[in-house]
Amino acid sequence: EPEVTQTPSHQVTQMGQEVILRCVPISNHLYFYWYRQILGQKVEFLVSFYNNEISEKSEIFDDQFSVERPDGSNFTLKIRSTKLEDSAMYFCASSGQQANGYTFGSGTRLTVV
Amino acid sequence: AQSVTQPDIHITVSEGASLELRCNYSYGATPYLFWYVQSPGQGLQLLLKYFSGDTLVQGIKGFEAEFKRSQSSFNLRKPSVHWSDAAEYFCAVGISGGYNKLIFGAGTRLAVHP
Repeated sequence: EPEVTQTPSHQVTQMGQEVILRCVPISNHLYFYWYRQILGQKVEFLVSFYNNEISEKSEIFDDQFSVERPDGSNFTLKIRSTKLEDSAMYFCASSGQQANGYTFGSGTRLTVV
Repeated sequence: AQSVTQPDIHITVSEGASLELRCNYSYGATPYLFWYVQSPGQGLQLLLKYFSGDTLVQGIKGFEAEFKRSQSSFNLRKPSVHWSDAAEYFCAVGISGGYNKLIFGAGTRLAVHP
């Protein structure tokens, strides 16, 4: 069964550093997403990406965040200057038309120290 | 605004007992509805989903859910719980007609007593 692959599974970074979280969505999917889950809390939508541009973003997704699909297969989330409160599990997801095949990756646990 | 409510934060059941986890949503149109399960420190595993058609949906691990439009509910059920079902369960609504973001409920943590 097709999978969404995320790397790394766990990343520790110092406050103020830039991090890039990587995702390989399912190859024939058209919509790509990032979600965040702070420890013990619910999963929150960050951003959706379609047709090579951001289609929707939440209030959480401020100027410190950016997304990119640099080569037609990878989908990345960059946090420019990490804060302690960015520590969370970040999930990538992808889907086809009308949310068909909506699939989450296994997540990257980001710890900011 | 769209929202998902899972009224029960924690539920404890005995192994072999039946289970029902509640989910209510607020959304003007017909939503896509999902149930996910998450073990500690792990990712999100899809249990089942509803897009259209039969309102009783069968999923993996013996779970089922019923969409009730009149009650804006999508409750998850299992007739006989196993100890391995202990986990956190999230209901989510997909916003159709847009870019398909999911809005999650706060989750229900299920504990199973032997």
